[in-house]
Amino acid sequence: GAGVSQSPRYKVAKRGQDVALRCDPISGHVSLFWYQQALGQGPEFLTYFQNEAQLDKSGLPSDRFFAERPEGSVSTLKIQRTQQEDSAVYLCASSSRTLHYGYTFGSGTRLTVV
Amino acid sequence: KQEVTQIPAALSVPEGENLVLNCSFTDSAIYNLQWFRQDPGKGLTSLLLIQSSQREQTSGRLNASLDKSSGRSTLYIAASQPGDSATYLCAVDGGTSYGKLTFGQGTILTVHP
Repeated sequence: GAGVSQSPRYKVAKRGQDVALRCDPISGHVSLFWYQQALGQGPEFLTYFQNEAQLDKSGLPSDRFFAERPEGSVSTLKIQRTQQEDSAVYLCASSSRTLHYGYTFGSGTRLTVV
Repeated sequence: KQEVTQIPAALSVPEGENLVLNCSFTDSAIYNLQWFRQDPGKGLTSLLLIQSSQREQTSGRLNASLDKSSGRSTLYIAASQPGDSATYLCAVDGGTSYGKLTFGQGTILTVHP
């Protein structure tokens, strides 16, 4: 597609519910990143994929967070047993190169846990 | 650990003013630095990317400079317009082989008519 597409745009979850956030990167982009942006803060790194391989998951806040990219294109970020502190905007970005090139960001998914 | 700080946190100016946004980072071993714009409820739009070997980049009314040795970058916006109102984020790419970004907290810019 022309850009990075994320769905849903908004998600309201009850505390304890599991959620799945989807990212469709630009076709052919090798690199895919997930970032978490709390209100009034800059985005913070969660995880990185190169094709289907998850090369860095050091930013995932807890073992309730899980990300996958099984075929090297679409990626899903799953949060189990959501908690209020998980409320944030989750941003996906992709890049056509693996090394230090500019990214294209999606519009994000705003997750609110009530 | 890389830390990125942006000053000021918020800025309100009348239309037509020239303005400067500041970004500083603690680890000078970076590959590049990027400035992004974020509109409310939207994702990030890349404005300028400066490679570590470069001193500045220009795009239209925007000019970004990089002083890697002192850990500083500035974004200069000339002849500001109400449409420039947004949050501006600075991010550095360094320390990994694949381009993980470390962001500042952003500067909220309001340009009033």
